[in-house]
Amino acid sequence: GAVVSQHPSWVICKSGTSVKIECRSLDFQATTMFWYRQFPKQSLMLMATSNEGSKATYEQGVEKDKFLINHASLTLSTLTVTSAHPEDSSFYICSASERVSSYEQYFGPGTRLTVT
Amino acid sequence: QKEVEQNSGPLSVPEGAIASLNCTYSDRGSQSFFWYRQYSGKSPELIMFIYSNGDKEDGRFTAQLNKASQYVSLLIRDSQPSDSATYLCAIRGGADGLTFGKGTHLIIQP
Repeated sequence: GAVVSQHPSWVICKSGTSVKIECRSLDFQATTMFWYRQFPKQSLMLMATSNEGSKATYEQGVEKDKFLINHASLTLSTLTVTSAHPEDSSFYICSASERVSSYEQYFGPGTRLTVT
Repeated sequence: QKEVEQNSGPLSVPEGAIASLNCTYSDRGSQSFFWYRQYSGKSPELIMFIYSNGDKEDGRFTAQLNKASQYVSLLIRDSQPSDSATYLCAIRGGADGLTFGKGTHLIIQP
């Protein structure tokens, strides 16, 4: 149980275009979903927290107009990178919690984004 | 600003020995503490979490927490080559997202 999927697993896009990444909880309802970014040889950095039906809360330094997050249902959250630039190339990983009080976050397999 | 500090390594340990990984954190309000293992190109996988002072054991793994010293550690007994990975320490306050350290690269030498 507690499986989180991401789609696509990797994507290449041209500079200036937008790309959408989906995060789904397959066998549980995710009250909260988190989006992280990991640059090569760096650790995961929390980008934003999204709760179903609410606006996402972004971490300091993350542009909310560039990284659009939608958490339309208890099983799906999407991250759209708008007007992508090469510096947005990174490994994007989502995680989901079943309950607000849950200690555990279940991580998706990640999406490798390359902007050319 | 929450900070989590780890020695980046690499930490090299002979097969069958005990690997000891350490982590310190800055936020005294942190409520739960996690150890994740990450293989290259993959997302992290949870090894253990701990939220009370003391030790918590799960198979070959033991997590130790000392809130007064703001210190968390992970011991891996009978280390195997498959344990070679980057180990990430993470903290969480309430329902917040995780704050990760930069990770310790562990190498188990056959």
